[in-house]
Amino acid sequence: QKEVEQNSGPLSVPEGAIASLNCTYSDRVSQSFFWYRQYSGKSPELIMSIYSNGDKEDGRFTAQLNKASQYVSLLIRDSQPSDSATYLCAVRNAGNMLTFGGGTRLMVKP
Amino acid sequence: GAVVSQHPSWVICKSGTSVKIECRSLDFQATTMFWYRQFPKQSLMLMATSNEGSKATYEQGVEKDKFLINHASLTLSTLTVTSAHPEDSSFYICSARAPLAGGTDTQYFGPGTRLTVL
Repeated sequence: QKEVEQNSGPLSVPEGAIASLNCTYSDRVSQSFFWYRQYSGKSPELIMSIYSNGDKEDGRFTAQLNKASQYVSLLIRDSQPSDSATYLCAVRNAGNMLTFGGGTRLMVKP
Repeated sequence: GAVVSQHPSWVICKSGTSVKIECRSLDFQATTMFWYRQFPKQSLMLMATSNEGSKATYEQGVEKDKFLINHASLTLSTLTVTSAHPEDSSFYICSARAPLAGGTDTQYFGPGTRLTVL
């Protein structure tokens, strides 16, 4: 079992819809979780971090964390074509290292 | 957020030559930097963890004699691909561990270096 799992996609949503990206992790003691966005041909950029159970909102982005279910998600409201990218979930493990999921490719269609 | 730069952004070289890639943290000190490789349409693959003043820790399957990493200062790590071959052509990305508000930290990525070996 991979430490951090994501559906590779592509996840296709129409413009204006809510995109929901999911991530599960295996290390129960993980405390820090991050979402990165990677445009094609570019390097990843940090967009959200979350440490506590519940929701954390930042603009059109909402990160959700459920430690009991070992599940973290990213919701993008009012999706735009410019949101089309690969979204990487990252989890900090007990060794203070970030482990990345394989990424989910999101396509927002006009 | 913290800024990480890489140089060069792209490089084309002949097979058998060596290529050095620099990774700099511009507005913070990075005791730990990471080197990743990414092939087209594939996920990030961690190659090595670079700690300032000590030897790098390589991931399984990464040849330490081929991918030389030096982290001589708190703001600079270099990756040298020695005797490069076409199969080494890839997108090489560095990242640096930087503090976040609230006392935690995360990784910020450089823009990447696209290496093409002819």
